[in-house]
Amino acid sequence: DAGVTQSPTHLIKTRGQQVTLRCSPKSGHDTVSWYQQALGQGPQFIFQYYEEEERQRGNFPDRFSGHQFPNYSSELNVNALLLGDSALYLCASSFRGTSDYNEQFFGPGTRLTVL
Amino acid sequence: DAKTTQPPSMDCAEGRAANLPCNHSTISGNEYVYWYRQIHSQGPQYIIHGLKNNETNEMASLIITEDRKSSTLILPHATLRDTAVYYCIVQKRPKGGSEKLVFGKGTKLTVNP
Repeated sequence: DAGVTQSPTHLIKTRGQQVTLRCSPKSGHDTVSWYQQALGQGPQFIFQYYEEEERQRGNFPDRFSGHQFPNYSSELNVNALLLGDSALYLCASSFRGTSDYNEQFFGPGTRLTVL
Repeated sequence: DAKTTQPPSMDCAEGRAANLPCNHSTISGNEYVYWYRQIHSQGPQYIIHGLKNNETNEMASLIITEDRKSSTLILPHATLRDTAVYYCIVQKRPKGGSEKLVFGKGTKLTVNP
């Protein structure tokens, strides 16, 4: 099992550009969440996808959007990039079952630098 | 979700027990305590969780006080590979789904040789 994979590992963009990050969940998982982690801070929740729909959303502007595909993989899109969007973007997968706890498996992240 | 308070940093000698405290004085009865850690340049990793009883797994032990207002994560024999940021998260029981994780700044644990 490859676990959660993300691509690319690093990315450099300029202000105003658009970026797409990709995530493949752990085998057997059907839910994907995205987090943004600025330097020196804890990860901040962006949104979560299940059954190809956005189910929860954090306090992020509409410039941040996503998609989930039938194979459960997901994309995070950010439009009109700002310098402040520079961060590590983490994808986490989980199974939306009846478990009473919430173990999420994280990928290694994509490091986005906006110049 | 209840907020947590953790010391910003701690040191521990290799081979000794590392005891990481977390204060969650506003925790509700239906909220769990989760611990994750993040080794440098990696994504966070689940360690353990508990409701009100002490818990132990292959990675760590979790001690929750009787009033549930604080907890301690114990790494019984810390190694250099345990150097990481440790996050204590209080979260309500998910309703058939995966709730978002609300991370604070965590505790930077440094294990020294």
